Amino acid sequence: GENVEQHPSTLSVQEGDSAVIKCTYSDSASNYFPWYKQELGKGPQLIIDIRSNVGEKKDQRIAVTLNKTAKHFSLHITETQPEDSAVYFCAAKERNKIYNQGGKLIFGQGTELSVKP
Amino acid sequence: DSGVTQTPKHLITATGQRVTLRCSPRSGDLSVYWYQQSLDQGLQFLIQYYNGEERAKGNILERFSAQQFPDLHSELNLSSLELGDSALYFCASSSPRGRYNEQFFGPGTRLTVL
Repeated sequence: GENVEQHPSTLSVQEGDSAVIKCTYSDSASNYFPWYKQELGKGPQLIIDIRSNVGEKKDQRIAVTLNKTAKHFSLHITETQPEDSAVYFCAAKERNKIYNQGGKLIFGQGTELSVKP
Repeated sequence: DSGVTQTPKHLITATGQRVTLRCSPRSGDLSVYWYQQSLDQGLQFLIQYYNGEERAKGNILERFSAQQFPDLHSELNLSSLELGDSALYFCASSSPRGRYNEQFFGPGTRLTVL
């Protein structure tokens, strides 16, 4: 089955700096890679995702890149703000070989991002 | 607010007991997924239902079971509880449309087994 590794486990940056979180996956059949932000006491919130037929996607200060050959994808946050402080999870969707609908998400271990004012 | 609701928010119980966690998916979503989040295991997939039918199973213990009802809400039943079952339990839902099926998570139920 799919396996996702995420680095680093903790990341501390100054407000205004950029933050980069990297993930690798093992199953070349995986075709969907979402990123979630989890604040204390809340559920994971989908912030951006990328499909396997796209190399990069941007949404304001957040961007995600995908390298299918190397089987890794990264989250880039520019101009970080204190409210970006949270735990970030990458995930890969493991294809359900029997049913077309859905597919379980395999999560990385999480990165605790701290943005210092 | 993702539109996914979960009750209760907190649950404290004793070892050996049985509890039921409830999830209502976003309007129009047919798939419901259950995940367990613990400090040592991270976010782990438990089980998926699509329109009332089980579609995928993760490393879900035999003491755990789930179902999805005709109104599409889902319940996760945990029995013979052990201390190690203490965790956050999340439900997520996804739309039947589209190929990639983005999953939206609820606020979770924090289970504490004493």
